[in-house]
Amino acid sequence: AQSVTQLGSHVSVSEGALVLLRCNYSSSVPPYLFWYVQYPNQGLQLLLKYTTGATLVKGINGFEAEFKKSETSFHLTKPSAHMSDAAEYFCAVGDDTGFQKLVFGTGTRLLVSP
Amino acid sequence: EAQVTQNPRYLITVTGKKLTVTCSQNMNHEYMSWYRQDPGLGLRQIYYSMNVEVTDKGDVPEGYKVSRKEKRNFPLILESPSPNQTSLYFCASSHIRGGASGRSYEQYFGPGTRLTVT
Repeated sequence: AQSVTQLGSHVSVSEGALVLLRCNYSSSVPPYLFWYVQYPNQGLQLLLKYTTGATLVKGINGFEAEFKKSETSFHLTKPSAHMSDAAEYFCAVGDDTGFQKLVFGTGTRLLVSP
Repeated sequence: EAQVTQNPRYLITVTGKKLTVTCSQNMNHEYMSWYRQDPGLGLRQIYYSMNVEVTDKGDVPEGYKVSRKEKRNFPLILESPSPNQTSLYFCASSHIRGGASGRSYEQYFGPGTRLTVT
């Protein structure tokens, strides 16, 4: 069975500081990996995804993530945080069964202070 | 505009009163899913559908029903709601793309329905 672990339910950074949100996954098959962002009172928006190919994935709003198979990790980073980045972030893993099933982590709330 | 819509967005009801949350997508996706989001638990899949008249249970199906009579619609039915079904519900739809680079897919989410059962 697949699973996702997000370390830290809350992460606080100052505006302009590096953002690092951690995600580790468990999968018995080559995984598809996703990061979603949820702004207050809104649905989930896809930030970026890894399916095949290049292990460094660039997403929207300056975010990127690197797939490291040896570490079973898919950490999300952004060089310089902006106040508008304050939101909840979810890592998710999918497989290639064709059923689109995603398993989500428990989420990390990013707080950005001036 | 490509989107997933849900109605209602907010609902307060009482224990035992049947309710339906509608979900509709305009992207011609074959796959649709329902999730519930609870604090500290992330999103958990309730039911999913691979196509019209094809549905199956997710991880937390107890107390819920779904139907898929049309490709675009995937309503979630609570026959006898209970307080432990108070949650934020999301509908999602997805597709599979083929091609030389391999398959990839992503799920598009609706805005959510906040349900309170008293």
